[in-house]
Amino acid sequence: DAGVTQSPTHLIKTRGQHVTLRCSPISGHKSVSWYQQVLGQGPQFIFQYYEKEERGRGNFPDRFSARQFPNYSSELNVNALLLGDSALYLCASSLVLAGFGEQFFGPGTRLTVL
Amino acid sequence: AQKITQTQPGMFVQEKEAVTLDCTYDTSDQSYGLFWYKQPSSGEMIFLIYQGSYDEQNATEGRYSLNFQKARKSANLVISASQLGDSAMYFCAMREGRLSSGTASKLTFGTGTRLQVTL
Repeated sequence: DAGVTQSPTHLIKTRGQHVTLRCSPISGHKSVSWYQQVLGQGPQFIFQYYEKEERGRGNFPDRFSARQFPNYSSELNVNALLLGDSALYLCASSLVLAGFGEQFFGPGTRLTVL
Repeated sequence: AQKITQTQPGMFVQEKEAVTLDCTYDTSDQSYGLFWYKQPSSGEMIFLIYQGSYDEQNATEGRYSLNFQKARKSANLVISASQLGDSAMYFCAMREGRLSSGTASKLTFGTGTRLQVTL
């Protein structure tokens, strides 16, 4: 079975632009979470979606938004990009919302904002 | 205050030796989970081991074991018989709250420890 997949792998944007990142969870997983990992730091939680509903949101501005589709794939959108948005964006899927709910991470999308 | 503290930015260990990576945590919840992830240079976070706050025994997974000291709020990762392929960043993470609460499975990560295994 395929693991969590993310696209694109790398992306270069300029300040003020908009970006859309995509994630496909492991087959059968209904929960998708997004994390931002700035260079030299641990990942920070952005969003969690379960059954197409937002179930959790981290301390990120409204420029960040996400959605989950009926096939449980997800998009992360970032508007009005800032230099500080340059980071590795990780998607994680899990079978359930709660419980042990081990989260399986994808390879990430590396975003560079110039 | 930092919820997860990893005080070792970098560690070196010789092949076949054991190494301990430190992690302390801060929470007022009685129910929580502690995780360790490995992140190679490729960027993917690889799950290694999990310890629940109510688990009485330390978790073990192959060459990985977790030295859980609840009173000290520490959850150190022990890697036995280190291999060259163990060279990577290692992150300690915590999930707070009752695991059946239906709240988001948010993980809070530390800043990581870079482990280098040498010949």
